[in-house]
Amino acid sequence: AQSVTQLDSQVPVFEEAPVELRCNYSSSVSVYLFWYVQYPNQGLQLLLKYLSGSTLVKGINGFEAEFNKSQTSFHLRKPSVHISDTAEYFCAVTGAGNQFYFGTGTSLTVIP
Amino acid sequence: GAGVSQSPSNKVTEKGKDVELRCDPISGHTALYWYRQRLGQGLEFLIYFQGNSAPDKSGLPSDRFSAERTGESVSTLTIQRTQQEDSAVYLCASSRPTPGLSETQYFGPGTRLLVL
Repeated sequence: AQSVTQLDSQVPVFEEAPVELRCNYSSSVSVYLFWYVQYPNQGLQLLLKYLSGSTLVKGINGFEAEFNKSQTSFHLRKPSVHISDTAEYFCAVTGAGNQFYFGTGTSLTVIP
Repeated sequence: GAGVSQSPSNKVTEKGKDVELRCDPISGHTALYWYRQRLGQGLEFLIYFQGNSAPDKSGLPSDRFSAERTGESVSTLTIQRTQQEDSAVYLCASSRPTPGLSETQYFGPGTRLLVL
């Protein structure tokens, strides 16, 4: 079975400061990892995904995430956040099967 | 083309009534997922359709929930005898999977269901 834990439910950060949103997963098989973003009153959009290859993955809007197999983590980072980054962020994992497992989400609030 | 669409966008119903939610996937996407998102919680997998294969219904919470899909087109999620705990946003996603590889899901805007 697979599961995802997002350790922080809310993360406030000042504009232009760096941010890290944490995601840990558990799985007994090889995994594929995703970060989705949900802007206010909008549907979920893919930020980035790790399927294989380089463990550092770059996504849209300046976000990146690093797959760490030994720590079973896939933390999302951005060196300098903008007001428009205020949103809900979801980490998700899937294996060779069809089911996706999503975390409970992290609400990022960027403070001007 | 257009993204995933869902209707209605909002639905208010009385406890005990049946509701039907609709999802139109992106054209050409053979895979379709339904999720439930309760307030303040993550996405809860409900059901998965892939082409003409038997659907993966392992996430449906009770026999009051059912879903159908005709071919690779529209899907409907039906909740019978709704309960207040069914209140949530119901999200649909579609993807164009390659066997053995998980492809990106594209989500619809969701249907916000409120059971009074």
